[in-house]
Amino acid sequence: KQEVTQIPAALSVPEGENLVLNCSFTDSAIYNLQWFRQDPGKGLTSLLLIQSSQREQTSGRLNASLDKSSGRSTLYIAASQPGDSATYLCALLLYGQNFVFGPGTRLSVLP
Amino acid sequence: EAQVTQNPRYLITVTGKKLTVTCSQNMNHEYMSWYRQDPGLGLRQIYYSMNVEVTDKGDVPEGYKVSRKEKRNFPLILESPSPNQTSLYFCASSLSGGWETQYFGPGTRLLVL
Repeated sequence: KQEVTQIPAALSVPEGENLVLNCSFTDSAIYNLQWFRQDPGKGLTSLLLIQSSQREQTSGRLNASLDKSSGRSTLYIAASQPGDSATYLCALLLYGQNFVFGPGTRLSVLP
Repeated sequence: EAQVTQNPRYLITVTGKKLTVTCSQNMNHEYMSWYRQDPGLGLRQIYYSMNVEVTDKGDVPEGYKVSRKEKRNFPLILESPSPNQTSLYFCASSLSGGWETQYFGPGTRLLVL
């Protein structure tokens, strides 16, 4: 069964820092991997989607990488801002079209 | 505005009283899905649908039913709710399959007494 972990569980940084969030999974048989952010009391917003054949995706200050062979993905956030404070989740799409989510990293960016 | 809507947003009910949570999307998406989110357990998929009349189980389907009679709607039915179904529920959709960006609804917070 696919297991997904995210490290760290929580992170607090001063504004302006570059940071890395990690997502690890046990089975490399995935279709794709998505990173989402969740704001308190709200739904999820998709940030980046990496197909299994890709190594990375970039959107603005965000860069996500995928290494299927080692079962790892990282989300890099450059020049963090207080508006980046949220919970970040990674989600794996399996070949049966069902999803498995990680537990999330709760990020707090201090002004 | 392109969106996924859920109703109700908040619901308190009692054990055994059947309820339905509606989900609707206006983006002509083929793929729709239901999740529940619980502290310490994260988001878990309940059911998903690749197209009208096509549904399949996710990780935690027990105690839930779904139907997909129209492309835009994907209701979640709890025939006999129990306290362990108290949770935050999300509906999501994507254009043609899970391999594309998913768009989430705002969530439905359910309390079963």
